[in-house]
Amino acid sequence: EVQLVESGGDLVQPGGSLRLSCAGSGFTFSSYEMNWVRQAPGKGLEWVSYISSGGTSKYYADSVRGRFTISRDNTKNSLYLQMSSLRAEDTAVYYCAKDGDFYDSSGYPVAAFESWGQGTMVIVAS
Amino acid sequence: QSVLTQPPSASGTPGQRVTISCSGSSSNIGSDTVTWYQQLPGTAPKLLIYNNNQRPSGVPERFSGSKSGTSASLAISGLQSEDEADYYCAAWDDSLNGWVFGGGTKLTVL
Repeated sequence: EVQLVESGGDLVQPGGSLRLSCAGSGFTFSSYEMNWVRQAPGKGLEWVSYISSGGTSKYYADSVRGRFTISRDNTKNSLYLQMSSLRAEDTAVYYCAKDGDFYDSSGYPVAAFESWGQGTMVIVAS
Repeated sequence: QSVLTQPPSASGTPGQRVTISCSGSSSNIGSDTVTWYQQLPGTAPKLLIYNNNQRPSGVPERFSGSKSGTSASLAISGLQSEDEADYYCAAWDDSLNGWVFGGGTKLTVL
């Protein structure tokens, strides 16, 4: 069974830093692309960042680019999100999400967030 | 303001069929596949539909997706009380080089 367990969420002051972790189990972690998605209190889902299976390709939402860094350690089956220069608007539940093994009719891989962790809460406030 | 546009709410009675729309542009829905997620109250999102109209294993046939041009729809037939949840569409945006979500639709089963 696929399991994703986030940790590291905390109360942090504006301008501060925080590192989130996501531990994966029940699948070959190194074979899958991973993402971070967040949800502010009472709001909708917002994609934050993507990392390829080998860690060489990374993408970020405009709202976090230059402040957040995604990384992974496939030897530890772990995904990370280093967050710095935190702002009040970064307050949210942060989910890690695993891509699935999906293909279209031509055999071309199609992306989707197949599995999600339970989330970890980040509160940015003074 | 979300890049993908969904109605904020939808409702139906048990047994009814409801649809939720998702409108985008040529850089997202118009050029890539659409996924749909269900989020029950207090829980993490769950994948409902991928590749516009494909259901992952375990998702009931009552849920179906479609896409035409720059719009997509999620249909739920035989509505059940346990379908009461928030529903989100998402797609990769080639201009933004990232995933974009709809603002979410809160489905109420009357």
